[in-house]
Amino acid sequence: GNSVTQMEGPVTLSEEAFLTINCTYTATGYPSLFWYVQYPGEGLQLLLKATKADDKGSNKGFEATYRKETTSFHLEKGSVQVSDSAVYFCALRGDQGAQKLVFGQGTRLTINP
Amino acid sequence: KAGVTQTPRYLIKTRGQQVTLSCSPISGHRSVSWYQQTPGQGLQFLFEYFSETQRNKGNFPGRFSGRQFSNSRSEMNVSTLELGDSALYLCASSLAGRWQETQYFGPGTRLLVL
Repeated sequence: GNSVTQMEGPVTLSEEAFLTINCTYTATGYPSLFWYVQYPGEGLQLLLKATKADDKGSNKGFEATYRKETTSFHLEKGSVQVSDSAVYFCALRGDQGAQKLVFGQGTRLTINP
Repeated sequence: KAGVTQTPRYLIKTRGQQVTLSCSPISGHRSVSWYQQTPGQGLQFLFEYFSETQRNKGNFPGRFSGRQFSNSRSEMNVSTLELGDSALYLCASSLAGRWQETQYFGPGTRLLVL
C-alpha cells in the first residue's frame, strides 16, 4: 500500500536558519502530495501541494518539489521564523483505490530566537 | 467562506459509554473524511462519506461508525468506548473527494476516555 516516510524529529533551529524536512513516499500510480502544518491545539492546515511530477508547491516562503524519480517531496524554507514552530506532516493521496490521505509520522520543528 | 467546523471541541467520557461527534464541511463540499490522531499511531484514516454514502473505510473496528446527511454534514459514532480511543478526531472536507483535491481540516474534537 501507499506510505510516507518523514525525517525524524524533533528539529531545532535558530531564527533565520535554512530548513529542510525530508519526505519520501511509496505509491502506485501518480499520487498528489501535500504538506500540512499543525500548530499546538489546532487541526491541520494545508501548507502546499503538488499534483504531478516536477510541480513545485509554495506558500509563505516554504517550497517543495514533486520528484518522481526519487519519490521525494522535501520541504524547504530559506529563513525560518519563531512563528514557524509547529508539527509538519507530509501526506499523499493516491489516484487508485481508496483515495484517502496517507500521512507521515510528523516532524516537530522548534525555532529559537 | 466558513471553514470546517467540528463540535464539540472537547469531550470526556468513561469506558463503555458511546459518543457522537459532528462535522460541518465547507459550503459546497460533498466529501467528508474522518481521521484519528494519537501520539502512538499518528494520523489514521477512519472513513469517507460522499453523497450520504460511505465510500471508503479504514482499518478500525465496527465500534466506529459514521453517517452523512443530505446537507453533507457528517457524524461519527464510537460505541463501547475504550481507553485507547482517547485521541484527536479530525474531520476534513473536499469538493468531491478526488485524489488531486485538497482536503481542508477542522480544528478537531479531543476525546478523553477515562
